[in-house]
Amino acid sequence: GENVEQHPSTLSVQEGDSAVIKCTYSDSASNYFPWYKQELGKGPQLIIDIRSNVGEKKDQRIAVTLNKTAKHFSLHITETQPEDSAVYFCAASKLTSYDKVIFGPGTSLSVIP
Amino acid sequence: GAVVSQHPSRVICKSGTSVKIECRSLDFQATTMFWYRQFPKQSLMLMATSNEGSKATYEQGVEKDKFLINHASLTLSTLTVTSAHPEDSSFYICSARDAGILREQYFGPGTRLTVT
Repeated sequence: GENVEQHPSTLSVQEGDSAVIKCTYSDSASNYFPWYKQELGKGPQLIIDIRSNVGEKKDQRIAVTLNKTAKHFSLHITETQPEDSAVYFCAASKLTSYDKVIFGPGTSLSVIP
Repeated sequence: GAVVSQHPSRVICKSGTSVKIECRSLDFQATTMFWYRQFPKQSLMLMATSNEGSKATYEQGVEKDKFLINHASLTLSTLTVTSAHPEDSSFYICSARDAGILREQYFGPGTRLTVT
């Protein structure tokens, strides 16, 4: 089955700097890669996703890149703000009718004012 | 954006009792819903996949007789923790997959279960 790894497990950056989180997946059939932000005591919130037919996607300060050959994808947050502090999870799925989303172990991001 | 609700948000029950958690997709239809469990400072672990009108598919190691899942309609799935024990205390999160073309998966706010 699919296995998703994620690095780093914790990340501290100064406000205004960029943050990068990297993930790898094992199943070459996976074609959908969402990223979730989870704040303490809340459910995960979908912040951006990428499908295997594109290599990069950007939404304001957030961008995601995908390298299908190497089976890795990354989240980039620019101009970080204190409210970006949260746990971020990458995930992988095949997007068939019933396919499950497999999560990485998560990255705890702290943005220092 | 799509909204998934869960009820209750917090529940405390005594050991040996059963607890039901509801998951609803409020503004979209979900042919598939998922139930996850999350322990403190850990990732989400998938417990089961629930398809409308059919039996749920459980992940390895998850007791189907203990965690009863019902997906009665395109907008509602329930998880019942039967004969709860303190080790069942956890954060339970449901998610719903949009049945439309884009098929994103949206998560509920979670239910904090504490078994005393």
